Amino acid sequence: QKEVEQNSGPLSVPEGAIASLNCTYSDRGSQSFFWYRQYSGKSPELIMFIYSNGDKEDGRFTAQLNKASQYVSLLIRDSQPSDSATYLCAVKLVGSNYQLIWGAGTKLIIKP
Amino acid sequence: DTGVSQDPRHKITKRGQNVTFRCDPISEHNRLYWYRQTLGQGPEFLTYFQNEAQLEKSRLLSDRFSAERPKGSFSTLEIQRTEQGDSAMYLCASSLAAGDPYEQYFGPGTRLTVT
Repeated sequence: QKEVEQNSGPLSVPEGAIASLNCTYSDRGSQSFFWYRQYSGKSPELIMFIYSNGDKEDGRFTAQLNKASQYVSLLIRDSQPSDSATYLCAVKLVGSNYQLIWGAGTKLIIKP
Repeated sequence: DTGVSQDPRHKITKRGQNVTFRCDPISEHNRLYWYRQTLGQGPEFLTYFQNEAQLEKSRLLSDRFSAERPKGSFSTLEIQRTEQGDSAMYLCASSLAAGDPYEQYFGPGTRLTVT
């Protein structure tokens, strides 16, 4: 069974610090990885996607992918209280061109 | 607003009743997805349409669930003979077929409570 694992948290980070969120996946052939943010009671919102090993930066967000170790991470620099949310990691199912396998999410709390 | 819309936003029903939800995707998106999400879990894939064709349906989905997209635009998800275990948030997402199909954009969801 293909799995995506995330620490459920909550992860508490002081305002202005770097928040680091991690995700591991079981299928070594996976190629496409996504981070979604979900505020309480709202629907998921795409933040970033990454396909290649290494880092990908977008504003305060950096996605990191290490296929050899089968993990993907999301760094949030200069954390703001508005970043408090659940962050969902999703991995495209190998052999499918549309189906995503989702982690259960990590709850992030940014303390002012 | 040109995002994905869903109706209703909330539905309370009694066990055994049928319910139907509607999703209107982003207008230029021809791929449409239905998911179910329960508290503390990630979205669970239910089914997928490309235009009007339903190309995939989760093996986890019972025969009580059916979805349609008759003209390749809006979609409906019907649950027959609802059970308490059907209580969840039902999410619809859409994406383009051309370009990256994995960038799925979600609607606000329909929260179903079965009493």
